[in-house]
Amino acid sequence: AQSVTQLDSQVPVFEEAPVELRCNYSSSVSVYLFWYVQYPNQGLQLLLKYLSGSTLVKGINGFEAEFNKSQTSFHLRKPSVHISDTAEYFCAVMLSGSARQLTFGSGTQLTVLP
Amino acid sequence: DADVTQTPRNRITKTGKRIMLECSQTKGHDRMYWYRQDPGLGLRLIYYSFDVKDINKGEISDGYSVSRQAQAKFSLSLESAIPNQTALYFCATSNTGSGTGELFFGEGSRLTVL
Repeated sequence: AQSVTQLDSQVPVFEEAPVELRCNYSSSVSVYLFWYVQYPNQGLQLLLKYLSGSTLVKGINGFEAEFNKSQTSFHLRKPSVHISDTAEYFCAVMLSGSARQLTFGSGTQLTVLP
Repeated sequence: DADVTQTPRNRITKTGKRIMLECSQTKGHDRMYWYRQDPGLGLRLIYYSFDVKDINKGEISDGYSVSRQAQAKFSLSLESAIPNQTALYFCATSNTGSGTGELFFGEGSRLTVL
């Protein structure tokens, strides 16, 4: 079975600074990878996804992530954060060609400070 | 209007009571899911349904039951609520035909069991 580890439960960062949210997964077969964002009092929405092809994936709101198969990682990055990026971020993995159940990480709370 | 609607959004109940959380969607998706979110644990899958006649247990189905009344409706029941079922519950949908497995979430139902 696949699993996802988000290494940081909380990440505080100052506005306009870069940020990296880390995600590692374990799976013996190929996977699809996702990052979802949850703003306060809202449901989750998709930031970006990796299915195949280029390992650098660009998403909404200036975020990007890089799939590294050898390190089984899918870290999320943004070069300059805004106050509005304050939210909880979830990494998720799905076995490609499977019954399509998503397994989520425990989440990383990103807090952008003025 | 939201594509995935959950009712109620907030509910406080007592131990032993029967509770139903309802989910309806206008996206025309065939697959529907129920997750619960607990701080530090991310989202965990309770039940999922790939069509009206298909119901599957997820990671944490004990104490819960579901009903897929129609393609657009998927309800979650707690037959006898207990305090450790206090959590934020999310309904989600996906479309088999999309090929990506992307989930679309409702805004959540916050349940408190006293």
